[in-house]
Amino acid sequence: QKEVEQDPGPLSVPEGAIVSLNCTYSNSAFQYFMWYRQYSRKGPELLMYTYSSGNKEDGRFTAQVDKSSKYISLFIRDSQPSDSATYLCAMREGGSEKLVFGKGTKLTVNP
Amino acid sequence: DGGITQSPKYLFRKEGQNVTLSCEQNLNHDAMYWYRQDPGQGLRLIYYSQIVNDFQKGDIAEGYSVSREKKESFPLTVTSAQKNPTAFYLCASRRGASGQGARDTQYFGPGTRLTVL
Repeated sequence: QKEVEQDPGPLSVPEGAIVSLNCTYSNSAFQYFMWYRQYSRKGPELLMYTYSSGNKEDGRFTAQVDKSSKYISLFIRDSQPSDSATYLCAMREGGSEKLVFGKGTKLTVNP
Repeated sequence: DGGITQSPKYLFRKEGQNVTLSCEQNLNHDAMYWYRQDPGQGLRLIYYSQIVNDFQKGDIAEGYSVSREKKESFPLTVTSAQKNPTAFYLCASRRGASGQGARDTQYFGPGTRLTVL
């Protein structure tokens, strides 16, 4: 079992849809959880950062962490064509330098 | 503007050549990282450095070398020993060696695409 599993998609939705992106993980020591957005041929940019369990909201984006299920989610409300990108989940243990990444989910939002 | 710069954006290498990828940051971050990204593989850690003049191997360090002589610079050399060097290379930096909060996570540069001819 890989340390972090992420469905690669591709995922295609109409503009205005609610998008749900997910990752599962096996290492219970992970404490910090991140979502990065990566446009084609660009570097990833930090979208959401969550420590431990709970929800975090930032505009149209909501990140959820369920440590009991080892499951994290990113929700995008009122999706826009500009949200079309690959979304990478990442996580790390407390005190560790290493981020462990999912393989990324490619999202296309159609106008 | 504060940020991370990588150069060149595109790099072509003949087999058997060593090439060096540049990464510079003016964020005053302590830690710096190099990743490799292949289609369908996600990001894999090559090397990282928490302080000047010190660095550690990541998960796929074979065929690569780094130096950290200055806080703001962390160049990566892809040697001829790297069997499959064609990939997208990403440099990242982080403010400190410990702590919480989004400011303490890794921020990425724009990447260098290396192609072996």
